[in-house]
Amino acid sequence: AQSVTQLGSHVSVSEGALVLLRCNYSSSVPPYLFWYVQYPNQGLQLLLKYTTGATLVKGINGFEAEFKKSETSFHLTKPSAHMSDAAEYFCAVSSPGTYKYIFGTGTRLKVLA
Amino acid sequence: DAGVIQSPRHEVTEMGQEVTLRCKPISGHNSLFWYRQTMMRGLELLIYFNNNVPIDDSGMPEDRFSAKMPNASFSTLKIQPSEPRDSAVYFCASTLGIGADTQYFGPGTRLTVL
Repeated sequence: AQSVTQLGSHVSVSEGALVLLRCNYSSSVPPYLFWYVQYPNQGLQLLLKYTTGATLVKGINGFEAEFKKSETSFHLTKPSAHMSDAAEYFCAVSSPGTYKYIFGTGTRLKVLA
Repeated sequence: DAGVIQSPRHEVTEMGQEVTLRCKPISGHNSLFWYRQTMMRGLELLIYFNNNVPIDDSGMPEDRFSAKMPNASFSTLKIQPSEPRDSAVYFCASTLGIGADTQYFGPGTRLTVL
């Protein structure tokens, strides 16, 4: 069975500060890992994903995440937060041959001026 | 591409009424998902279609919920009769395949049952 844990349901950072959103996963098979962002009153949209190959994945809007198998983690980072980054972020796990995406409970990011 | 289209965007109804939510997936995508999002339970998978065939409906809460996909470009989620606890945001998502493929979400339908 697969699962995803997002540490911290709410995270606040100052504009220009580092953004770090944590995601740990559990999977008995090699995982596919995703980060999605949800802006108010919108659906989820993909930020980035890891499937195979390079473990540091770059996404849209300056975000990146690193797959660390030994730590079963896929944390999302951005060097400098912008006000427009305020949203809810979801980590998700899938695996080869399966249709099920397991989503985390989400982390709401607040950016302070 | 217009993306995944859902209608209506907002629905307010009274308990006991029938509610029908609609979804048009991205053209060429052969997998379609219906999700429900609430504060308490997060994002829950309700049903998964592949090539218009329901593959997994184990997430459908009860017999009051039903979903159909009569063709590759249209799906409906029906609640009959509706109850206040059905109030949530319902999302439709489509993918080209499964596994590593990105899920493309619609804007959602916010349902309020009074």
